[in-house]
Amino acid sequence: DAGVIQSPRHEVTEMGQEVTLRCKPISGHNSLFWYRQTMMRGLELLIYFNNNVPIDDSGMPEDRFSAKMPNASFSTLKIQPSEPRDSAVYFCASSRGHAIRNEQFFGPGTRLTVL
Amino acid sequence: GNSVTQMEGPVTLSEEAFLTINCTYTATGYPSLFWYVQYPGEGLQLLLKATKADDKGSNKGFEATYRKETTSFHLEKGSVQVSDSAVYFCALSDQEGNQFYFGTGTSLTVIP
Repeated sequence: DAGVIQSPRHEVTEMGQEVTLRCKPISGHNSLFWYRQTMMRGLELLIYFNNNVPIDDSGMPEDRFSAKMPNASFSTLKIQPSEPRDSAVYFCASSRGHAIRNEQFFGPGTRLTVL
Repeated sequence: GNSVTQMEGPVTLSEEAFLTINCTYTATGYPSLFWYVQYPGEGLQLLLKATKADDKGSNKGFEATYRKETTSFHLEKGSVQVSDSAVYFCALSDQEGNQFYFGTGTSLTVIP
């Protein structure tokens, strides 16, 4: 299995631009998670989906952030408009089953830099 | 609310030294506890877990015991290797399985 696939691996953009991060979970996994990692705040859970349905988006920082999962094999995290404080590494993870306590498999992350 | 507190790093050890990374938690009921590891340039991966009090999780020579009386889940390894250099995250899932929390991470560097 290829594992969780994220693209792009690196993104540099200017403040005000729209950014779209992409994730392909492991086949057969039906839970998907988006995390943000920064030095200041550590690892934060932004949102997670179960069977393509958003279950908890309380970690999404503000309305500029949105996430979708149109099917079981694809999810996007969009930031519009982007700001320098959004600079971070964004991880996608997936797991089997419905319980959030199941083992999560992480992708390699997307390093976002907003100038 | 629920939270995880782990010792701040960075931690630097010589090869074959004993490792302890402290982790304590705050939660109602009986959470599940985890240690994840992040090697340089990679995503996190599960190292070990424990789902009830007094359980011991173990993997790759690492161990952690779920201590409800002290609300702790300290990570230990008897003899570290250079390849163990990574960032280690303690994590908690609440009893209902609705929330997941990571600690801030502890960076470990093992020198030959």
